[in-house]
Amino acid sequence: AQSVTQLGSHVSVSEGALVLLRCNYSSSVPPYLFWYVQYPNQGLQLLLKYTTGATLVKGINGFEAEFKKSETSFHLTKPSAHMSDAAEYFCAVSGAGGTSYGKLTFGQGTILTVHP
Amino acid sequence: DAGITQSPRHKVTETGTPVTLRCHQTENHRYMYWYRQDPGHGLRLIHYSYGVKDTDKGEVSDGYSVSRSKTEDFLLTLESATSSQTSVYFCAISESNRGPSYEQYFGPGTRLTVT
Repeated sequence: AQSVTQLGSHVSVSEGALVLLRCNYSSSVPPYLFWYVQYPNQGLQLLLKYTTGATLVKGINGFEAEFKKSETSFHLTKPSAHMSDAAEYFCAVSGAGGTSYGKLTFGQGTILTVHP
Repeated sequence: DAGITQSPRHKVTETGTPVTLRCHQTENHRYMYWYRQDPGHGLRLIHYSYGVKDTDKGEVSDGYSVSRSKTEDFLLTLESATSSQTSVYFCAISESNRGPSYEQYFGPGTRLTVT
């Protein structure tokens, strides 16, 4: 079984400030982890992913995330927020084996608001 | 963008009527998925397919059926729509020569309202 918890359904930051979106997961098998972004009235776009190897992964639009196994976390960060970052962000986990193989389980989403 | 289209993009239907949503891909990917998105729940897997005529249930499959007669098309059917099935439905695809590639690519969504 696998699950994802995103802490904070809404996060508000000022333009230029640090963005931190929190994600914790549980998985009975080694996890593969993802962040997706959804702009209004659009589908989901992959921001970044962790499968194996380096635990700090970089994605598009200046975002990065660090896989911390000991903390079962995969938090998303960006050093300086831009107005165009305003969107909803989803963390997701997929099991590398077992019955979770290939299936994504999503968190409930975090809406990011960026103020001028 | 991955070549995924969904039709219709918007639909309003009455309780008790059958509804079929279509997902079409031009990527020749083996794996296809149907999700529903509801506020506070993120996306939840309804059904998925790992090949032509090969499908399986996801987390919230009750009230839904699927069919895949061609690689490029994955149909989701609500046999008798209920108001609880009002949602935004997303199709996704993934591919790997060893199995699912884990990252999935999403279509634009279908907004379904059941009155």
